[in-house]
Amino acid sequence: NAGVTQTPKFRILKIGQSMTLQCAQDMNHNYMYWYRQDPGMGLKLIYYSVGAGITDKGEVPNGYNVSRSTTEDFPLRLELAAPSQTSVYFCASSGSGSGLEQYFGPGTRLTVT
Amino acid sequence: DQQVKQNSPSLSVQEGRISILNCDYTNSMFDYFLWYKKYPAEGPTFLISISSIKDKNEDGRFTVFLNKSAKHLSLHIVPSQPGDSAVYFCAVYNAGNMLTFGGGTRLMVKP
Repeated sequence: NAGVTQTPKFRILKIGQSMTLQCAQDMNHNYMYWYRQDPGMGLKLIYYSVGAGITDKGEVPNGYNVSRSTTEDFPLRLELAAPSQTSVYFCASSGSGSGLEQYFGPGTRLTVT
Repeated sequence: DQQVKQNSPSLSVQEGRISILNCDYTNSMFDYFLWYKKYPAEGPTFLISISSIKDKNEDGRFTVFLNKSAKHLSLHIVPSQPGDSAVYFCAVYNAGNMLTFGGGTRLMVKP
């Protein structure tokens, strides 16, 4: 049981490049989330999904896009990377219902130069 | 406008003593609170939670206290162990299934 997996672990992008961060979960969770964590800060929600085909913006969605075609996968797309997107990105998932814990992946460290 | 604040960026305690990590929130409508632990180069892992209908929840060495009138949450670790050294985040559920995190407190437990 792998839980939440993320690829790649590390990536360096040049300004203006694009990339997709992959996230997959094998717990049959309906809810999935993308967060970013800047140095010394807490996690901020970028986008979330309550099920396949349904996504919504979180606190800091600008510069990102998501899609959810299956229950298992929730990729995050960065278009036209900017230095401000240098961060550690975490994907998480949870079951349906209120107050449930979220399970996090190991993160992707992204540097934009 | 931070809805969840952890005012102590770091805390150092001796092994075997109590660690107390604090968290303040602004919205009295928040109804579910969680603590996460994070080691370097890993994702956060869930530690303990509490619903607003309770004022205390205990799980082994970890106890979370909720003071709704003060809008204050605390995590007690007794006794503290070197393996507890990590960054601890408090988080609250806001508007459905969205978690809002505090900035974190780095706990160092000295042997």
